[in-house]
Order: sequence, then C-alpha cells, then structure tokens
Amino acid sequence: GAVVSQHPSWVICKSGTSVKIECRSLDFQATTMFWYRQFPKQSLMLMATSNEGSKATYEQGVEKDKFLINHASLTLSTLTVTSAHPEDSSFYICSATDLIGLAGPYEQYFGPGTRLTVT
Amino acid sequence: QKEVEQDPGPLSVPEGAIVSLNCTYSNSAFQYFMWYRQYSRKGPELLMYTYSSGNKEDGRFTAQVDKSSKYISLFIRDSQPSDSATYLCAMGGGYFGNEKLTFGTGTRLTIIP
Repeated sequence: GAVVSQHPSWVICKSGTSVKIECRSLDFQATTMFWYRQFPKQSLMLMATSNEGSKATYEQGVEKDKFLINHASLTLSTLTVTSAHPEDSSFYICSATDLIGLAGPYEQYFGPGTRLTVT
Repeated sequence: QKEVEQDPGPLSVPEGAIVSLNCTYSNSAFQYFMWYRQYSRKGPELLMYTYSSGNKEDGRFTAQVDKSSKYISLFIRDSQPSDSATYLCAMGGGYFGNEKLTFGTGTRLTIIP
C-alpha cells in the first residue's frame, strides 16, 4: 500500500518551454502533497505544500509564478515549470500523506522522482 | 547554521562492518526523527522513525535519538552491498502527516564486498 507515482520519470525540454510533472497517490487519498527539488549530491529542498482544493503554500525563495502547483483531486497534484531555464534542471520529487493525516510526519510517501533537463 | 547537519561522506566500509550515520539539529521543536534510504535517481524510502528520545531497532537497523544533545544516529549491523545508498535523516515538529519535514544533506554509503 501507500504507493506514489510520478510521470514522467525523465523529461528533456528546451529553454523557454513549460513542462508539467504529475504526482499520483495510487492506493490512498492524499489531502496533502509536497513538492521537493533535489540537486546532485544535495538534500531535498521543500518547494511547496499543496492541499487538495486550496492554493499551494510556497517556501521562501520559490517563485510561485514559475512553479505552478495544482492539487485538483485527492489523488493528483501537478507541478508545472513555466518558461524553464537550464538552472531549473533538477530532480523533482513529490510526497503525499493520507486523507486523515492522523499519522506522524513519517507517514509521508515519496514518489520515484522526475529528472528534468532543460537544454 | 542549518537546522539539520549531516556529514555528506562519502563513507566506504567493508561488507559485514557496523555503520554509524549521524545528524545534529538545532530546532528543539522537532519531535519525530526519520531515516530514509535513497538509491541513485530514486525517491527516498522510509527506513525507520522514532518519536522523541530513545532507541528503536528493526532487524539490522537501530535508530537512536538524544534530544538533550540534539543528536540522532542510525546504526547498520552486518552491512551488505545492497545497503549502498544515500541515507537521509529527516525531522518533523508536528504530529500530523501533513506537516513538513526538514532533511539533512544525506550521507553516501558504499559497502565494499
């Protein structure tokens, strides 16, 4: 149980284009999803927290107009990188927590990640 | 000062050795302490979690938390080549699963056959 998928697993796009990354909870309903970015040999940096049906809460320094997050259903959140540039190349990982959210913060389930390369 | 400090390694040990991985933190509000294992180009997977101070054992893995020193450890006994991965510590302050985690930078571990 508690499987989170991401699509695509790897995407290459040209500078200036937009790319959408999907995060799905496959066997549970996720009220909250988190989006992280991870640069090589660095830790996961939280970008934003997304609650179903609400606007995402962005961490300080993350441009909300550049990284658009939509959490339209209890099983799907999307991250759209708009007008991507080479410096946006990174590994993007989502995590999700269940509907009730009564478990501790260890009950966040991570997706396999999406590697974005902007040329 | 970062909220969570973790030696990035890399750390190489022979198969069968005991591995000790550590993190220190500065935020006394942290109550939950997790260890994740991350293979290359994959998402993190939860290994162990501990609430407040104390020890927890699961097979070859033991997690220790010393809140008075703001220091947590993960021990791996009888290390195997399959344990080669990056190990991330993570911490959370609240009870609920929808509260954010703060991660360490990760330690790259290689077990040499």
